[in-house]
Amino acid sequence: SYELTQALSVSVALGQTARITCGGNNIGSKNVHWYQQKPGQAPVLVIYRDSNRPSGIPERFSGSNSGNTATLTISRAQAGDEADYSCQVWDSSTAVFGGGTKLTVL
Amino acid sequence: QVQLQESGPGLVKPSQTLSLTCTVSGGSISSGSYDWSWIRQPAGKGLEWIGRVYISGSTNYNPSLKSRVTISINTSKNQFSLKLSSVTAADTAVYYCASAAEYYFDYWGQGTLVTVSS
Repeated sequence: SYELTQALSVSVALGQTARITCGGNNIGSKNVHWYQQKPGQAPVLVIYRDSNRPSGIPERFSGSNSGNTATLTISRAQAGDEADYSCQVWDSSTAVFGGGTKLTVL
Repeated sequence: QVQLQESGPGLVKPSQTLSLTCTVSGGSISSGSYDWSWIRQPAGKGLEWIGRVYISGSTNYNPSLKSRVTISINTSKNQFSLKLSSVTAADTAVYYCASAAEYYFDYWGQGTLVTVSS
């Protein structure tokens, strides 16, 4: 079965750029979607199809995908960005999620 | 805007069947634009997709759960449902229902905690 690998945690200084990666075999050939989840809340879609932002998501959120790594980039990180971030793809009609990365804003 | 709401027992005994329903409002479940999924998350762990149903009634399931899962749709009630049989403590989790228009989950329910315990 297809697996997605994410770091358990990433830290970023307030106002700096955070990069959260999602690793998978030839993930660049798949569409990657990213979700933000704050404690006690449902996930929220922040990036779809590698690099597209839903309405209402700040331009500070961007995404890229190539080779074996997809990346969610959060520019000018704010305290409100502190959350868990999970990547997701489809493989053989099965949705697969990464284990999630906890972003801490220092 | 589409809204989803999970409902069902919060406590299920081991070996029994977990049953949850997701009620869709703000749009028709039969619109054809969406498919409807169940996703769960054990405490402190990542998201796990359980399966999905189309308005036709056809389904896809996570291979790891396929033998125990049934997802169905009731278009007249604007609802879809999850049944997970032979539950154990490992099935304790927050269960979410979600919709997907183009393979990404754009609308989610608030989630409901289901605990498996005697």
